Amino acid sequence: DQQVKQNSPSLSVQEGRISILNCDYTNSMFDYFLWYKKYPAEGPTFLISISSIKDKNEDGRFTVFLNKSAKHLSLHIVPSQPGDSAVYFCAASGYGGATNKLIFGTGTLLAVQP
Amino acid sequence: EADIYQTPRYLVIGTGKKITLECSQTMGHDKMYWYQQDPGMELHLIHYSYGVNSTEKGDLSSESTVSRIRTEHFPLTLESARPSHTSQYLCASSAAGPPNQPQHFGDGTRLSIL
Repeated sequence: DQQVKQNSPSLSVQEGRISILNCDYTNSMFDYFLWYKKYPAEGPTFLISISSIKDKNEDGRFTVFLNKSAKHLSLHIVPSQPGDSAVYFCAASGYGGATNKLIFGTGTLLAVQP
Repeated sequence: EADIYQTPRYLVIGTGKKITLECSQTMGHDKMYWYQQDPGMELHLIHYSYGVNSTEKGDLSSESTVSRIRTEHFPLTLESARPSHTSQYLCASSAAGPPNQPQHFGDGTRLSIL
């Protein structure tokens, strides 16, 4: 059973508009959440993270929001640029036991149209 | 900029062959990981190491083996390749500390077993 779910396999957005990528999780023991970006034929690169003690973390055009009660997080990209076109993976981890490793979602392919 | 290298980038080989996928990092990271990813699917952790002479199996059962004799080197070996081993293999490393430390990924090896 998937513990981290990205239910939208793809998303298309116009350049300059906001991109919102969503992620849901089932394990309440997760303490940290990370977003990775992956271009074709390259490995994933770390984008931004958030701890469970926060509900928002911002880094330039990228903001991650965490709603613990809903077990939901989202990545906002504003404004979107064509270079943002990539697969975005959500990942979660926690301290100890079975959660002491990164668990990845299946990814969302973002296409930013010029 | 992350410095983690995987070779080969692509490998097409026949059934029954012994294969070693190389992974090296120059960041002095204690933690290293191997993931397996099929198209459109999540990354599955198959092996990890928290330091020299330490290796553990990940969440996804794999017929591969790993070794960690030097901090910078974490090779993965398949003794007898089969078509079911066809996949992309991604190596990653991270600094010691809590699980939220970002993992730095190599560009992967795409393996095809005929």
